[in-house]
Amino acid sequence: RKEVEQDPGPFNVPEGATVAFNCTYSNSASQSFFWYRQDCRKEPKLLMSVYSSGNEDGRFTAQLNRASQYISLLIRDSKLSDSATYLCVVNTFGGGYNKLIFGAGTRLAVHP
Amino acid sequence: EAGVVQSPRYKIIEKKQPVAFWCNPISGHNTLYWYLQNLGQGPELLIRYENEEAVDDSQLPKDRFSAERLKGVDSTLKIQPAELGDSAVYLCASSLAHRGGYTEAFFGQGTRLTVV
Repeated sequence: RKEVEQDPGPFNVPEGATVAFNCTYSNSASQSFFWYRQDCRKEPKLLMSVYSSGNEDGRFTAQLNRASQYISLLIRDSKLSDSATYLCVVNTFGGGYNKLIFGAGTRLAVHP
Repeated sequence: EAGVVQSPRYKIIEKKQPVAFWCNPISGHNTLYWYLQNLGQGPELLIRYENEEAVDDSQLPKDRFSAERLKGVDSTLKIQPAELGDSAVYLCASSLAHRGGYTEAFFGQGTRLTVV
């Protein structure tokens, strides 16, 4: 089993739609969680961190459920510019250092 | 402020030849990562440095891959000899990490390697 698993996608949605991505992680000792965005042939960039209480940044809402080891990302009012791959990232602290583990990514295509 | 700089951006080599990638992290970042990314997949960690110490190289194929981070700043990743299956994007990232905490990892633009 992979340490971080995501919905395989791709998600094809019209502009204005609401779309949700899910992610599960296997290491219960994981401490911090993130969503990164990666555009085609570009490097990953941080979209947002994920906090236990849930957090929102404009049209984006992230949720964390530690009991179920589950992370989600909700995008409301999708824009064409949201088309990208969304990577779930889990940080585990062990042996005195942090370790970032990436999911395989979920591809989103927003169409007119 | 300059971001993470990688070179070269693209490299095409014949199989069995050696190849090297270079990374200059963001100034002051003590943690440096090398990731490999295949098409349609997320980045997979090859090696992680804390300053000049390689603290996690369990995923690095040591028979052909090697890495170094002299003086805890720049890093090089080498493959010798390269195989067809090594064709991928090699990403370098850096962050300012500390015990018990984490800050955002910034990525370079990557080196796209094609082995023919």
